[in-house]
Amino acid sequence: EPEVTQTPSHQVTQMGQEVILRCVPISNHLYFYWYRQILGQKVEFLVSFYNNEISEKSEIFDDQFSVERPDGSNFTLKIRSTKLEDSAMYFCASSESRSRLFGSGTRLTVV
Amino acid sequence: TQLLEQSPQFLSIQEGENLTVYCNSSSVFSSLQWYRQEPGEGPVLLVTVVTGGEVKKLKRLTFQFGDARKDSSLHITAAQPGDTGLYLCAGSLWDQGGKLIFGQGTELSVKP
Repeated sequence: EPEVTQTPSHQVTQMGQEVILRCVPISNHLYFYWYRQILGQKVEFLVSFYNNEISEKSEIFDDQFSVERPDGSNFTLKIRSTKLEDSAMYFCASSESRSRLFGSGTRLTVV
Repeated sequence: TQLLEQSPQFLSIQEGENLTVYCNSSSVFSSLQWYRQEPGEGPVLLVTVVTGGEVKKLKRLTFQFGDARKDSSLHITAAQPGDTGLYLCAGSLWDQGGKLIFGQGTELSVKP
C-alpha cells in the first residue's frame, strides 16, 4: 500500500540552526501539506502546497518557514533559524482529493 | 476561527462495552475524517465521510456524519483492548486541498 515517507525520524538541532525536514508524498497525489503537533497538543496545520505553490498557510507559518518541491518526488519543510518552541512532531501529508494520508512524522528537538 | 470540539477527552472502559466519541462544530465541513494515532506515530486514516447523514462501517466501528455536516460520531461496538489509542476527528472546509482542522482527540483505554 502506498505511503507517505518522512526523514529523518528524529532530529536534534541547536537553537538558531537551520533544519530541513524531508517528505516523499504518494506519487499520484496533487496536494501536499505540513502539520505539526507539539507534545500533548492538537495537530495544527502549517501549510498546503498545490501546483508548485503555497495554496494556504497558517499564522504559525511565518518567514522562518519555507516549503519546496525540488524535484518530482520530494517535498521539504525548511526552518531557517530554529527556536525552542519549534520543538514538535512535524507531519507531512498528501492527498488526491479529500482523504489526507499522513507520514509517520519527524520529531524535532531544539536545544 | 473554526473549531472542532471532541468529547470525551478521555475514556476508560472494560472489554466488551460500547462507546461513542463525538465531534462537534459550528462550522459546516465539506468532509470529515477520523484518524487513529499511536504514540510517536502519524495519524492513520480510518474513514472519510462526505455526505450529510452518511453512515460508514468499518468492522465494529460505525462513523456518522451529521445531516448538517457540522458534527460526527464514532461508535465502537464490543470494544477490545486492541482498540486502545488516540482517536482524532478532522474536518475540511473545502472539497480538495484545504487544510484539516483537528479536534483535540479522545484517548481511549480498553481494559481486559
